[in-house]
Amino acid sequence: SQQGEEDPQALSIQEGENATMNCSYKTSINNLQWYRQNSGRGLVHLILIRSNEREKHSGRLRVTLDTSKKSSSLLITASRAADTASYFCATDAASGSRLTFGEGTQLTVNP
Amino acid sequence: DAGVIQSPRHEVTEMGQEVTLRCKPISGHNSLFWYRQTMMRGLELLIYFNNNVPIDDSGMPEDRFSAKMPNASFSTLKIQPSEPRDSAVYFCASIPSGGGADTQYFGPGTRLTVL
Repeated sequence: SQQGEEDPQALSIQEGENATMNCSYKTSINNLQWYRQNSGRGLVHLILIRSNEREKHSGRLRVTLDTSKKSSSLLITASRAADTASYFCATDAASGSRLTFGEGTQLTVNP
Repeated sequence: DAGVIQSPRHEVTEMGQEVTLRCKPISGHNSLFWYRQTMMRGLELLIYFNNNVPIDDSGMPEDRFSAKMPNASFSTLKIQPSEPRDSAVYFCASIPSGGGADTQYFGPGTRLTVL
């Protein structure tokens, strides 16, 4: 299976609510990144958290990393309809430089 | 900055034909990645280059796929002969350093349909 696996596969919420997506991985990592993909577009980098960090914020985004559980979460606060997209986690294994992407969470924010 | 440029954006071809996808990375970026995205398999890394040299091509599905990077500003991914199972969206991405830990900048993708 893939190094990064997102949970849930799909999430539907109302505008203004918070959205939480989770990512689990299997091997040691240097860092973990979250990307967003709008329908029919390429992926866009959101945030990177290094293995020695536990939490990081960027605007309405909050990312946590628990290396003991090999998991990360992405929280989007006060969601907007424009946040509707697929969200992917990607890991950079300690032993290599390639990124391995998870299967993604499809987030739908209803106006 | 124009970002990563891919062409064509859409390609429809018949089984057995040769397909060439093109990518222009961001100027100054010296690592380039080719990915394939399908509903069944998600986003898969096919090959990546560092300073125009292929570093890891373990993701290339078979000999029908080949990739080149003749210079720092251009790369091609070729499929010959193409098959219906090659239908997917192919993305190119680039980063400014040799390690994959940096942010990857993705192009808009090429949607390939093989009939």
